[in-house]
Amino acid sequence: AQSVTQLGSHVSVSEGALVLLRCNYSSSVPPYLFWYVQYPNQGLQLLLKYTSAATLVKGINGFEAEFKKSETSFHLTKPSAHMSDAAEYFCAVSEFSGGYNKLIFGAGTRLAVHP
Amino acid sequence: DAGVTQSPTHLIKTRGQHVTLRCSPISGHKSVSWYQQVLGQGPQFIFQYYEKEERGRGNFPDRFSARQFPNYSSELNVNALLLGDSALYLCASSLGAYNEQFFGPGTRLTVL
Repeated sequence: AQSVTQLGSHVSVSEGALVLLRCNYSSSVPPYLFWYVQYPNQGLQLLLKYTSAATLVKGINGFEAEFKKSETSFHLTKPSAHMSDAAEYFCAVSEFSGGYNKLIFGAGTRLAVHP
Repeated sequence: DAGVTQSPTHLIKTRGQHVTLRCSPISGHKSVSWYQQVLGQGPQFIFQYYEKEERGRGNFPDRFSARQFPNYSSELNVNALLLGDSALYLCASSLGAYNEQFFGPGTRLTVL
């Protein structure tokens, strides 16, 4: 079975600093990987996705992630944090089996941005 | 274009009661998936429906059931509610069973 591990349940950065949120996955097949953001009392918004094309994926709001097969990682980065980036971030992997597709999520990383 | 909609937004139930949550997918989408997100955790897969048939089920007890209607909307039913069922229930729609999933805002269920 596939799984996702997000290192660091809480990350705090200063406004303007680099954001780095870590995600490692376990998969026996080439994975489809996703990063979602969740603002308080809201659903999930897709930031970006990797579907076996370019290994460096650019998403919305200035975020990007790099797929590294050798490290089984898909870390999320943003060069300069903004106050509005404060939210919970989830890494997920698609698992295709038996005629359906489900997303397997990590436990999430809460990003705090301080002035 | 309207996204995925869910109703109600919030509800409060007591132990032992049952609850029905509703989801309307994006127009043209034929698949609906349900996820449970307990506070402080990532979402957990409950069901996927495609063309009104259950295609997949996660590790949830039989108290959880769902169905999909001819217009592709869906209901999630939970019987004999337990305190541990308190969570945000997320619905996601996709064109087909293997396509990208788009999430709704969720229904916050509190069981007292």
